[in-house]
Amino acid sequence: DTEVTQTPKHLVMGMTNKKSLKCEQHMGHRAMYWYKQKAKKPPELMFVYSYEKLSINESVPSRFSPECPNSSLLNLHLHALQPEDSALYLCASSRNDGQGNEKLFFGSGTQLSVL
Amino acid sequence: AQSVTQLGSHVSVSEGALVLLRCNYSSSVPPYLFWYVQYPNQGLQLLLKYTTGATLVKGINGFEAEFKKSETSFHLTKPSAHMSDAAEYFCAVAPGFQKLVFGTGTRLLVSP
Repeated sequence: DTEVTQTPKHLVMGMTNKKSLKCEQHMGHRAMYWYKQKAKKPPELMFVYSYEKLSINESVPSRFSPECPNSSLLNLHLHALQPEDSALYLCASSRNDGQGNEKLFFGSGTQLSVL
Repeated sequence: AQSVTQLGSHVSVSEGALVLLRCNYSSSVPPYLFWYVQYPNQGLQLLLKYTTGATLVKGINGFEAEFKKSETSFHLTKPSAHMSDAAEYFCAVAPGFQKLVFGTGTRLLVSP
């Protein structure tokens, strides 16, 4: 199993809603990532979890709240988002072998629209 | 800070023609460099990466890239384009552990 599975594939939410994005992998990877990709732009790193602990937070607003309940799951909780947060949210994982040149495995993403 | 620059937001080739996608890097130390491909409505997939050693790196789907320190380049090539190669291609550099910084991307268009 070399897949990273993200749900839902599409999400439309209002600015007062609370929703969660989910990501799952069963490759035994110990690093998991959230990236944000605006239309026609490259992905930008948001968060990294290493061994279920938050290791990188790229100064992301608090309306985005990541959670890593176990080594296979990664969630992104969303609250009070703004229309400019509409984007493709990509989850990725890697082995976390400390080499710094790891291959990232990406999910297909959740296309989020904030109304 | 390490970064990559991709020249050309769009590249158009005919099926069977040579594919050349350009990437230049900026780094004061030997970088880790990557090429990822993104098909429509999908995530990214690693094509190849350069770490150390051999400067000509072969990847999946017939792609290869050559690390040229003198030119600070890591251009992606494929001898013969297929229609299925049409996608967005991102060059990336790893400026730190678990950090990957992508270039702005090049959309490859393949015509029959």
